[in-house]
Amino acid sequence: SQKIEQNSEALNIQEGKTATLTCNYTNYSPAYLQWYRQDPGRGPVFLLLIRENEKEKRKERLKVTFDTTLKQSLFHITASQPADSATYLCALGRKVYGGSQGNLIFGKGTKLSVKP
Amino acid sequence: SQTIHQWPATLVQPVGSPLSLECTVEGTSNPNLYWYRQAAGRGLQLLFYSVGIGQISSEVPQNLSASRPQDRQFILSSKKLLLSDSGFYLCATPRLSSYNEQFFGPGTRLTVL
Repeated sequence: SQKIEQNSEALNIQEGKTATLTCNYTNYSPAYLQWYRQDPGRGPVFLLLIRENEKEKRKERLKVTFDTTLKQSLFHITASQPADSATYLCALGRKVYGGSQGNLIFGKGTKLSVKP
Repeated sequence: SQTIHQWPATLVQPVGSPLSLECTVEGTSNPNLYWYRQAAGRGLQLLFYSVGIGQISSEVPQNLSASRPQDRQFILSSKKLLLSDSGFYLCATPRLSSYNEQFFGPGTRLTVL
């Protein structure tokens, strides 16, 4: 069956360091992969999307890589700040023809804590 | 701009009681709508999606049901709640500006006792 795993439930780092979160998947060939941020008691908020034919995507202090051979995505936050503390979810999307867009498969998330 | 309203924000219900959660969307017409559940220790799980009025697809068999009586209204229901129905329920729709992006509502925290 399809499986998506995020490397750890929690990650603690010091302010200013680079946070690296991992998302691995099996039995799946996604058309794209997304990362979301979720704060406690709130819905996830979209951060980045990377397609199967892209290796890297950047947005400000965020960087995402996508290796379809390794079936892995890495999510980096450089110069991390306490405000970056949140749970980060990865999600796989498949090619959809007509009808129902979406049907993303989400990982359980990694809770990032950035200490001052 | 797109807005999603969900109510209630929190709910505590006894086992065996009925459930009705409501989601309404503004700023878009004929949207695809989704119900997700996030249970403790588990990932975000897609429960139902709808591509139009009266059209519901179920992703996971369970004691929940969904209905779409109006274009921008999506309702999640149960006749008899189970303890395992506890969780954070999220309604979502694709972002107009980027269709692959899911735009989530504020969620409903359900606790079944």
